[in-house]
Amino acid sequence: EPEVTQTPSHQVTQMGQEVILRCVPISNHLYFYWYRQILGQKVEFLVSFYNNEISEKSEIFDDQFSVERPDGSNFTLKIRSTKLEDSAMYFCAILRGGLSNEQFFGPGTRLTVL
Amino acid sequence: SQQGEEDPQALSIQEGENATMNCSYKTSINNLQWYRQNSGRGLVHLILIRSNEREKHSGRLRVTLDTSKKSSSLLITASRAADTASYFCATDAGTGNQFYFGTGTSLTVIP
Repeated sequence: EPEVTQTPSHQVTQMGQEVILRCVPISNHLYFYWYRQILGQKVEFLVSFYNNEISEKSEIFDDQFSVERPDGSNFTLKIRSTKLEDSAMYFCAILRGGLSNEQFFGPGTRLTVL
Repeated sequence: SQQGEEDPQALSIQEGENATMNCSYKTSINNLQWYRQNSGRGLVHLILIRSNEREKHSGRLRVTLDTSKKSSSLLITASRAADTASYFCATDAGTGNQFYFGTGTSLTVIP
């Protein structure tokens, strides 16, 4: 049973359009993360979210990106005006919690910007 | 930069052999994690090792950590064709929970 699922699995959009990627945790988690992986490159940290606030973000996470947890369950990543270079796999991760710092990743959303 | 860097970049072995992958990092850490990724798929968590641990086992996996050398190794014993994947180490910066990934080792196990 996966700890977190993501929707959609694949999103195709036109440059300049807004996209919203969703992360659905199976259990109630406090820590959420977004990472991205451009094809053939390393996984890069975007942002961490704790207790309904951004706790850390990387330089990649500029004004075009935003995160929220609108209904207390789903965790979303919004890209306001997509660029070609935003094409990547986007992974949501949760922290297992307790004494463990294990981060479990969702299956990812493949974003293709045309 | 904190990123872990794995070596070798690619490794090809026969089924049944052992595979060893190494990871080096630059700054102090609290935790180091190893992940597996099949082509085009998500990241599967394998093992987390803490900075005060030296070795950890999980099934056919053995992870070691040498904080004095800032390095870790992942050993897969008795490899199987299904172990074919990319393997990444991820390190934290010692402060937050964000993890920094290396470029990975691509393992091919030949049946």
